[in-house]
Amino acid sequence: SAVISQKPSRDICQRGTSLTIQCQVDSQVTMMFWYRQQPGQSLTLIATANQGSEATYESGFVIDKFPISRPNLTFSTLTVSNMSPEDSSIYLCSGDEGYTFGSGTRLTVV
Amino acid sequence: QKEVEQNSGPLSVPEGAIASLNCTYSDRGSQSFFWYRQYSGKSPELIMSIYSNGDKEDGRFTAQLNKASQYVSLLIRDSQPSDSATYLCAVIVGGGGADGLTFGKGTHLIIQP
Repeated sequence: SAVISQKPSRDICQRGTSLTIQCQVDSQVTMMFWYRQQPGQSLTLIATANQGSEATYESGFVIDKFPISRPNLTFSTLTVSNMSPEDSSIYLCSGDEGYTFGSGTRLTVV
Repeated sequence: QKEVEQNSGPLSVPEGAIASLNCTYSDRGSQSFFWYRQYSGKSPELIMSIYSNGDKEDGRFTAQLNKASQYVSLLIRDSQPSDSATYLCAVIVGGGGADGLTFGKGTHLIIQP
């Protein structure tokens, strides 16, 4: 299964600012997925990223809030824009090889 | 509506016994099923995936899939206190291509020494 690395592992951000999370996979994958895990909740799929095309967003998530880049087959970024305390969550990425997760990004918005 | 249902628990099992975790899903076209273990403060760890009806064994873990009844289960044999965690069931809804996972809310498992 693919090994997933995310940066940063955690951050504390001011409301109204943006944070870009990086996801690196150790092998080429067709699709990369971004998830959010709010405190005490399960994982929710934010969007699916395919190289060379716009990401596909799930209901309740929009590109203006969560822009995603997928420049190649091993890398993707998720930006959390104009953050509010409600964005405080763990953000996780995964690929379609093995569907494993890295350690995630723990975001706190103050 | 994509739905994956799990009993949130807590499910308490004595050490050495078999822990049985269940999951049902609503989309009959679902083809791929995953079980994850998540310790508090950690990211989910893949236990196993299952795609065909029947049983799949990996060490102390057995996943069981019944597509006709739309349920998937995870059995943990010889349960250990270190198995105490939240277990997440996830499904790729629908039958086509590479899609993201729909997760259940998770079952909190407690193994009592």
